[in-house]
Amino acid sequence: DAMVIQNPRYQVTQFGKPVTLSCSQTLNHNVMYWYQQKSSQAPKLLFHYYDKDFNNEADTPDNFQSRRPNTSFCFLDIRSPGLGDAAMYLCATSRDPSVLRVNQPQHFGDGTRLSIL
Amino acid sequence: ELKVEQNPLFLSMQEGKNYTIYCNYSTTSDRLYWYRQDPGKSLESLFVLLSNGAVKQEGRLMASLDTKARLSTLHITAAVHDLSATYFCAVSNDMRFGAGTRLTVKP
Repeated sequence: DAMVIQNPRYQVTQFGKPVTLSCSQTLNHNVMYWYQQKSSQAPKLLFHYYDKDFNNEADTPDNFQSRRPNTSFCFLDIRSPGLGDAAMYLCATSRDPSVLRVNQPQHFGDGTRLSIL
Repeated sequence: ELKVEQNPLFLSMQEGKNYTIYCNYSTTSDRLYWYRQDPGKSLESLFVLLSNGAVKQEGRLMASLDTKARLSTLHITAAVHDLSATYFCAVSNDMRFGAGTRLTVKP
């Protein structure tokens, strides 16, 4: 089945040690999103790619970066993780949302749960 | 700044009962989403609502959108235990989520 795959499911890193989370998709969707979800909170959009165009949310810390080398893959890099960055990180994809009157649900991966020691 | 407010935040209901979750948002949007999340799991897309008066139904869940009132509702009909989860609405401007409604359906 076509799907969104996140690796790893669980990631443990040390305070200040860079970490990369990965997301791949077989849906050929042109939009990919990264969300951060802390315990008992709503997901928060960090950034998204519309094809190769990168769109950063205004309040996303500089510590968070992203790369999308091709349509299928997208990476989340946390340069110097702090204790406050422990969370579930969700990747999602969708088709072009600007197409009028077309339902374009987001498809989510299973998430990567990041712990900081 | 776009604000999305859901209520109630916690909902405990008995099987067989009906209830409605409300989602208010503060600025015009062209798209509203509803999601379900089970504990420790990722999000599942339930509905995408595009236009004023849109109504969608899937099983015991029905979602509607009133763009003039900036209000969406998620109506639960004859609840069953399997519907226990957290439900989020989100508005498309910058995919801003409501705080979520934690639904527990008791036998």
